Amino acid sequence: DTAVSQTPKYLVTQMGNDKSIKCEQNLGHDTMYWYKQDSKKFLKIMFSYNNKELIINETVPNRFSPKSPDKAHLNLHINSLELGDSAVYFCASSQVSLVQRGTIYFGEGSWLTVV
Amino acid sequence: DAKTTQPPSMDCAEGRAANLPCNHSTISGNEYVYWYRQIHSQGPQYIIHGLKNNETNEMASLIITEDRKSSTLILPHATLRDTAVYYCIVRVAGGFKTIFGAGTRLFVKA
Repeated sequence: DTAVSQTPKYLVTQMGNDKSIKCEQNLGHDTMYWYKQDSKKFLKIMFSYNNKELIINETVPNRFSPKSPDKAHLNLHINSLELGDSAVYFCASSQVSLVQRGTIYFGEGSWLTVV
Repeated sequence: DAKTTQPPSMDCAEGRAANLPCNHSTISGNEYVYWYRQIHSQGPQYIIHGLKNNETNEMASLIITEDRKSSTLILPHATLRDTAVYYCIVRVAGGFKTIFGAGTRLFVKA
């Protein structure tokens, strides 16, 4: 079983559309994240959720709206897609203990292309 | 969280040990050193972490200097599949934010 799974893996869409990426983890973790990796390969944190509560929002445009229905899921909805949103989006989760919270498990990524 | 400095790229011969350095001279006493790697087109993968003592697991060894200002990740017998970007990260335990730098691109050559 995949520990952190995200769908879809590939997504090509037109500017202005609204799209969602879903993420599920079966590790029993209490914290989930969304990271963005752009064409320059820098991996940047977007959001962090702990027990379904938003903890970190790294000045991401409000067109991006994460939703955590429960601790095992963190979905990312993007409104009015722009060319600059093209990137790989990684979902991740981490353990409950303080030390292990730094041990992050990543999904395989969702490759978003906006045309 | 403290900043880290890593060489942008390194080469290693297959079967030899790969030693990846990381400087973190501003590390605080409560910050851990974590290593991740990202193989092309895959999600980052946790490798190992440590606070003060050297650590070893099935993937690698982590050597932290006594003053904790630098560390080295050692892949004892590098294979072609170890070609990846390796990230050294320092962070406090209990935080919700892990910042990835540019990392070191390791090329393992046959």
